[in-house]
Amino acid sequence: DAKTTQPPSMDCAEGRAANLPCNHSTISGNEYVYWYRQIHSQGPQYIIHGLKNNETNEMASLIITEDRKSSTLILPHATLRDTAVYYCIVWSWGKFQFGAGTQVVVTP
Amino acid sequence: GAVVSQHPSWVICKSGTSVKIECRSLDFQATTMFWYRQFPKQSLMLMATSNEGSKATYEQGVEKDKFLINHASLTLSTLTVTSAHPEDSSFYICSARDPGGAYNEQFFGPGTRLTVL
Repeated sequence: DAKTTQPPSMDCAEGRAANLPCNHSTISGNEYVYWYRQIHSQGPQYIIHGLKNNETNEMASLIITEDRKSSTLILPHATLRDTAVYYCIVWSWGKFQFGAGTQVVVTP
Repeated sequence: GAVVSQHPSWVICKSGTSVKIECRSLDFQATTMFWYRQFPKQSLMLMATSNEGSKATYEQGVEKDKFLINHASLTLSTLTVTSAHPEDSSFYICSARDPGGAYNEQFFGPGTRLTVL
């Protein structure tokens, strides 16, 4: 199973960009990278996913390195409501296996 | 995005009783649903994969006789915690995969908080 590694925590100032790194060095060629976030005591919320091209939607941007061994989720203008645990996940063998994620705290 | 609901949102029960949790896909038909468990300050742990019309596939270490999963229709999967004990107290979350989606993204329910006294 492709596994992911993320820093355990990160602080970010409100209004600034938050860059969340993820290492997935064992990813296979046809496996997508997904990002979800979980606000306290809620179900995870989908943010974005990608295969090898950079992606952008209304919530975030996803930058994937050319060798696909790592990626970065970018929240362009963090708000207090972006405080959550962010999970980087590789779809593998028909299921998601969640890692520990990154606790992001956005401060005023 | 697609919507997944869970019922109940929280439940308190006595030790030894059984509790059923429902997971519904509201605006799409889900051939595959997943059940996760999450303890405080920990990540989600996949318990089982539920396929409509067939037996669930359980992850290693998850007792299939204790956590009964039924996926009788394309919009409903149920998880029954049988003979619940305090150590089963946890946050249970389901997700559903939209087969009409192109990228295997899963949509998660809001979770069910189970407390066993």
